[in-house]
Parts: sequence; C-alpha cells; structure tokens
Amino acid sequence: DGGITQSPKYLFRKEGQNVTLSCEQNLNHDAMYWYRQDPGQGLRLIYYSQIVNDFQKGDIAEGYSVSREKKESFPLTVTSAQKNPTAFYLCASSIEGLAYNEQFFGPGTRLTVL
Amino acid sequence: AQKVTQAQTEISVVEKEDVTLDCVYETRDTTYYLFWYKQPPSGELVFLIRRNSFDEQNEISGRYSWNFQKSTSSFNFTITASQVVDSAVYFCALSEATGRRALTFGSGTRLQVQP
Repeated sequence: DGGITQSPKYLFRKEGQNVTLSCEQNLNHDAMYWYRQDPGQGLRLIYYSQIVNDFQKGDIAEGYSVSREKKESFPLTVTSAQKNPTAFYLCASSIEGLAYNEQFFGPGTRLTVL
Repeated sequence: AQKVTQAQTEISVVEKEDVTLDCVYETRDTTYYLFWYKQPPSGELVFLIRRNSFDEQNEISGRYSWNFQKSTSSFNFTITASQVVDSAVYFCALSEATGRRALTFGSGTRLQVQP
C-alpha cells in the first residue's frame, strides 16, 4: 500500500536531548513537509523540501533540523535548542511542490518532553 | 502575508442537523488554492477538497458542500444531515501560487456530532 509512515507514534525525551522523527513515503512524491500541531491550534510549517538535497525553512524552524538525502525520506531532528518541543508532529508529501497539489499526511508522532 | 481564520473553535450538533464551518482567508496573490482537511481522532489529516481562485462554482459531494465567495474571501463548508462519524477537527488551508507554495492552515474547528 502506498502511503506515508511516521515513527515512532509516541516519543518521550528528556530535556537537553536531541531526538529524530522518521518520515518515509512510497508515493514517489517530490515534495515533503513537516508541521507542528499544538492543542487547539492549526498546523505550523517547520521545514519543507521540494527536491532531494534541498530544503527550506518554514515559519517555526528554530530549534529543528532536517535532511533530504533520499526522495522517500525526510527525517526531522528536534534539538535541545527547541524551547518547547512537546507537540504533535505531522509529515506530509505532495507530487510536486506546486501550490495546487494536495498534501498527503502521515499518522503523526506525539513528542513529549519529560 | 497569507492568513486563514476559522473563528468557530468548537461546534456541537445533534445527528441529522446541518452544520456550516466558516473559513475566511487573506492573500495578496491573484492565483491561490483553498483546501479543506479533516482530522479524525486518529490524528492523520484527510484531504477533502481543493478550489482554485478562478473557480467560484460551488461544489457538492454527497452530504458535503462548499461555498467559495471571492467577494467576501470565504470558503465555507457545509455538512448536511450530520452523522456521528463526521466528528473531527476540520481545517481550512490556503496555498499561494507564488512564494513558498506551502499550506497555511487555519486553527481548525472541532465538530462534535451527538447521537
């Protein structure tokens, strides 16, 4: 089945630790995105990549880093510099990074900092 | 800068009632795209519809309908004869043809349909 997988579903981190969230897609999509969702709020764009080996900052990139070495993978690292990392993280992809392309979403990773 | 406003934080209806979810947007682009997504309790967003700025025709898909009005910068979503399975958070989103071409989301409306 084609789709987007995110792992793990739940993640607990101690303060001061870096943690990497996985996002893999087998849809052969060029563009991939990371969003953060806080309770009662919409999704905010962290980073996006429209092609392999290239990515751009979104609205809230501080404290996060990404890589796009393979078309199907777009991991997100939450660094210790992120002051309030507890949130629900959603990965998405689209055929191309064009404005009219709908995005397909993964099931999300819920990160909790202890 | 682009912005999407969903003023209704939470709506509660009884099954079989009709309900309309409001969405107001701001953009300087003449070419843009509007989307609605559904987020059920599982968390994964599900795409419902896309509309481009040049197409103001209303659309109906089963019990769902969408009313796009450029004059009021609104893209409202109506569910007719609501069902318990419609309970979810619904997001309206905007993407501009120029610039970063990524989605800007509203804050969402939580719909609860009571049996």
